[in-house]
Amino acid sequence: DTEVTQTPKHLVMGMTNKKSLKCEQHMGHRAMYWYKQKAKKPPELMFVYSYEKLSINESVPSRFSPECPNSSLLNLHLHALQPEDSALYLCASSPGAGGPYEQYFGPGTRLTVT
Amino acid sequence: AQTVTQSQPEMSVQEAETVTLSCTYDTSESNYYLFWYKQPPSRQMILVIRQEAYKQQNATENRFSVNFQKAAKSFSLKISDSQLGDTAMYFCAFMKTNAGNMLTFGGGTRLMVKP
Repeated sequence: DTEVTQTPKHLVMGMTNKKSLKCEQHMGHRAMYWYKQKAKKPPELMFVYSYEKLSINESVPSRFSPECPNSSLLNLHLHALQPEDSALYLCASSPGAGGPYEQYFGPGTRLTVT
Repeated sequence: AQTVTQSQPEMSVQEAETVTLSCTYDTSESNYYLFWYKQPPSRQMILVIRQEAYKQQNATENRFSVNFQKAAKSFSLKISDSQLGDTAMYFCAFMKTNAGNMLTFGGGTRLMVKP
């Protein structure tokens, strides 16, 4: 199984809502990543978890809150988002964070903030 | 800091023909890795090919090959016998050794394969 799954596929939320994005992998990978991707742009790294601990936060606003409950699961909790946060949110995983390892990407959650 | 530049925002090629996508990068590192990722419309990003900087031999994966010129800091992707399924956004990416497995992406090239 070389798959990273993400739910939901699409999400529409208001600026006062609280929602969560979910990412799962069953490849035994110990590093997981959240990216934000705007249309026709490359992914921008948001967070890196290594062995279930947050190792990198790329100065992401606090309205985005990551969580790694176990080595297979990664969540991104969303609260009080802005319309400019509308984007494709990609999750990825790799065997470790020491590199160089290929990152396996999920299909993404397309988020629209109204 | 590393930068990765893809100078061709969009390209098109006829089915069965060959196309080359350009990528240049800037780094002071001597040891690093380079990748080409493919992102088809509404589908997930997948790795196409990778190159270790210490290897002089250019990487090849079936119809995909790279031209790695370390001195020129150039890493182009050649797609032979283009197929309709090759239509996608292609991202060149750079990874330092021992730097948390972080990727620096180029701006992307949108490739359209025409029948």
